[in-house]
Amino acid sequence: SQQGEEDPQALSIQEGENATMNCSYKTSINNLQWYRQNSGRGLVHLILIRSNEREKHSGRLRVTLDTSKKSSSLLITASRAADTASYFCATDANWGRRALTFGSGTRLQVQP
Amino acid sequence: DAGVIQSPRHEVTEMGQEVTLRCKPISGHDYLFWYRQTMMRGLELLIYFNNNVPIDDSGMPEDRFSAKMPNASFSTLKIQPSEPRDSAVYFCASSLRAGATNEKLFFGSGTQLSVL
Repeated sequence: SQQGEEDPQALSIQEGENATMNCSYKTSINNLQWYRQNSGRGLVHLILIRSNEREKHSGRLRVTLDTSKKSSSLLITASRAADTASYFCATDANWGRRALTFGSGTRLQVQP
Repeated sequence: DAGVIQSPRHEVTEMGQEVTLRCKPISGHDYLFWYRQTMMRGLELLIYFNNNVPIDDSGMPEDRFSAKMPNASFSTLKIQPSEPRDSAVYFCASSLRAGATNEKLFFGSGTQLSVL
């Protein structure tokens, strides 16, 4: 089963708008990562946030983590057509299997 | 660095045939992962290696699947015999020494497998 689930499944916005994607997970984690996947390509790492961090920024990306709610959000500000892709959260459970488990992803379409 | 290299990029085969997917991780990366991506099940971890040793293969669907890592620069995922339900995109990924989950993964471009 998926450790992380993204919401919404699909999102369509206009260029210049902000895009917010959410991720919920089930078990305690050490860290949470966000990845982007362009159509027909492999996943590319965007940002990693550790369980003791609440917010992290990288360029136009802002990630928050709420461990009490077992949720994270990815905000892309001033979106561009090139941001069109699928976005996945990935978590590591701090027990058992020590490898990343990916959510189902959010498909983001940025209209020029 | 050329990144994680997978081959072939596309594979079309008939049911019952053997399929071998190949992966060259980034030099110096001690962890190698095989994932499978389908619309229905998303990204699933099949198996991962640390220093060429399989650590967790609990995601391998059944005995028809096998993976090897004979050295630090090469891994294979074999399906024998293949079935239509194996059709998916298979990704290889690698990461640095810090651990299986403390570091980011670098993904290859994937192998699109179609079993007819």
